[in-house]
Amino acid sequence: EAGVAQSPRYKIIEKRQSVAFWCNPISGHATLYWYQQILGQGPKLLIQFQNNGVVDDSQLPKDRFSAERLKGVDSTLKIQPAKLEDSAVYLCASGRGDEQFFGPGTRLTVL
Amino acid sequence: AQKITQTQPGMFVQEKEAVTLDCTYDTSDQSYGLFWYKQPSSGEMIFLIYQGSYDEQNATEGRYSLNFQKARKSANLVISASQLGDSAMYFCAMREGSGFQKLVFGTGTRLLVSP
Repeated sequence: EAGVAQSPRYKIIEKRQSVAFWCNPISGHATLYWYQQILGQGPKLLIQFQNNGVVDDSQLPKDRFSAERLKGVDSTLKIQPAKLEDSAVYLCASGRGDEQFFGPGTRLTVL
Repeated sequence: AQKITQTQPGMFVQEKEAVTLDCTYDTSDQSYGLFWYKQPSSGEMIFLIYQGSYDEQNATEGRYSLNFQKARKSANLVISASQLGDSAMYFCAMREGSGFQKLVFGTGTRLLVSP
């Protein structure tokens, strides 16, 4: 069974630029999560999808972050415009029942 | 208030010895789940073990076991016979409620296994 795929693995941008991350979950997993992990901290949920509907986006900075999950499969997370404090690893996870499986993450550096 | 507390920023253990990583949690839900993940330097989060709040037996997965003490709200991870490849960050996480709820993570413990 293929795991959660994410791209790109690394991204360096300047502040005020835009960036987008892509996630392809494990086949058949209805739930998809985006987490932000700042250096030295545990991951924090940004947004959770159930199929293509949003379940929880309470911690998503909606003035600059957006996410979509078209057709209940792939998902894209966008930051526009980026700030220095957005430097982090962005982890995508997909779930079935009690399990959540994580992708390799995208390491974003904002200069 | 912190929902997941990991009080050990770093732990050292010698190869082949056992080590316990501490985790305490705070919830008023009756139904919840507790997870441990390993995060090597490469960055991916690797699922290790899961304990449901209604599970009466402590969870075990190979060399990993979860010491679940419900009354004390603790869910410590025990790694037996440590290996050099166990050196990594370890995160405790909790899911409140059932099903597809988000995970709330602790700040992690860095484990270093020495030869």
